[in-house]
Amino acid sequence: NAGVTQTPKFQVLKTGQSMTLQCAQDMNHNSMYWYRQDPGMGLRLIYYSASEGTTDKGEVPNGYNVSRLNKREFSLRLESAAPSQTSVYFCASSEGGLSAEAFFGQGTRLTVV
Amino acid sequence: AQSVTQPDIHITVSEGASLELRCNYSYGATPYLFWYVQSPGQGLQLLLKYFSGDTLVQGIKGFEAEFKRSQSSFNLRKPSVHWSDAAEYFCAVGPYNQGGKLIFGQGTELSVKP
Repeated sequence: NAGVTQTPKFQVLKTGQSMTLQCAQDMNHNSMYWYRQDPGMGLRLIYYSASEGTTDKGEVPNGYNVSRLNKREFSLRLESAAPSQTSVYFCASSEGGLSAEAFFGQGTRLTVV
Repeated sequence: AQSVTQPDIHITVSEGASLELRCNYSYGATPYLFWYVQSPGQGLQLLLKYFSGDTLVQGIKGFEAEFKRSQSSFNLRKPSVHWSDAAEYFCAVGPYNQGGKLIFGQGTELSVKP
């Protein structure tokens, strides 16, 4: 069982370039999430999808868009990358509903120069 | 405002010594509390979680945590630390019906001396 798989693992972008981070889960979970991790700030929620067909903003959505492609896949897009978006990005999934915890991918380390 | 505070950014303990990592939260609804561990370059692994019932919860790798509602705290403990416990530890809080929609603390980095 792969769990939550993120691609790519590393990426360097130039300011203004666009890219999409991919996330797929094979646990048949209803809910999926995108977080960013910055030193000294823990993880902060960017966007989430409580169920297939829905997406909602989290704490830090500016500069990002998401697509819940199907139940398995949830992508995060940076339309015009900025140095402030240099971070480690984590995708997570959960069963949804009561008492379900989140399972995290291995992360994507993104550097914007 | 909803928040999680981990007062200790970095803790160093000797192998075999006991460990306590502190976590305080502010949350408007009934909290659903978690501790996660992150090894370098890795994702987050769930150590334990609490929503209701016995306020002392047991987790994996010999960790336990105690929920104290009056102190808004959820401290993580381990009686005897192993070198492999060196990692970063995150406390988080979220709603019971959406367990991945979390507010994280800043993290505590644990170093273990031989």
